[in-house]
Amino acid sequence: DVKVTQSSRYLVKRTGEKVFLECVQDMDHENMFWYRQDPGLGLRLIYFSYDVKMKEKGDIPEGYSVSREKKERFSLILESASTNQTSMYLCASSSVGVPNTGELFFGEGSRLTVL
Amino acid sequence: AQSVTQPDIHITVSEGASLELRCNYSYGATPYLFWYVQSPGQGLQLLLKYFSGDTLVQGIKGFEAEFKRSQSSFNLRKPSVHWSDAAEYFCAVGPRSGYSTLTFGKGTMLLVSP
Repeated sequence: DVKVTQSSRYLVKRTGEKVFLECVQDMDHENMFWYRQDPGLGLRLIYFSYDVKMKEKGDIPEGYSVSREKKERFSLILESASTNQTSMYLCASSSVGVPNTGELFFGEGSRLTVL
Repeated sequence: AQSVTQPDIHITVSEGASLELRCNYSYGATPYLFWYVQSPGQGLQLLLKYFSGDTLVQGIKGFEAEFKRSQSSFNLRKPSVHWSDAAEYFCAVGPRSGYSTLTFGKGTMLLVSP
């Protein structure tokens, strides 16, 4: 089974702190994604990556950056956390194998609270 | 631009009753279609998916969904709901070619009453 692991399930940070959210997948997937989930807003795509060292902005990239130095690892960085970044963050991965179904495999989420 | 609409934010169903969750999409061409489920505090788990062929697809946990091209719909059904089905359900669509980014609906929260 595909396993997507998010290193921190719960984090509490202070305004202005730098925050790292780590995600590792073990199925050699090319694609990795970071979503943000808020009540009533569903899932919104922050950033995604199709290959090592490549990144693309999603729908809400402001205030975030990402890093993909290795194929299996995709990190989300909040340079200076703000209270409006309090949310559930979901990492996902997918394969570009044939057929390319686009199915996403999700981690269990990281709930971030910024005080 | 593509979009997914789940018109029901909350649905309450009695245990043992049937369930239908609605999903409508707007897309340039027939997309790949997915239903995901999220239990409280957990990530999303794939219930079922439609790519081609039979428009009635079977998934895990006794769920099924029917793709209706004329209505741009992909409704999720279950004949008899169990208390453990209480969760949030997300419909998603994705392109048949190009990059694999999915567009999600805002979710429907299912509550199961005894």
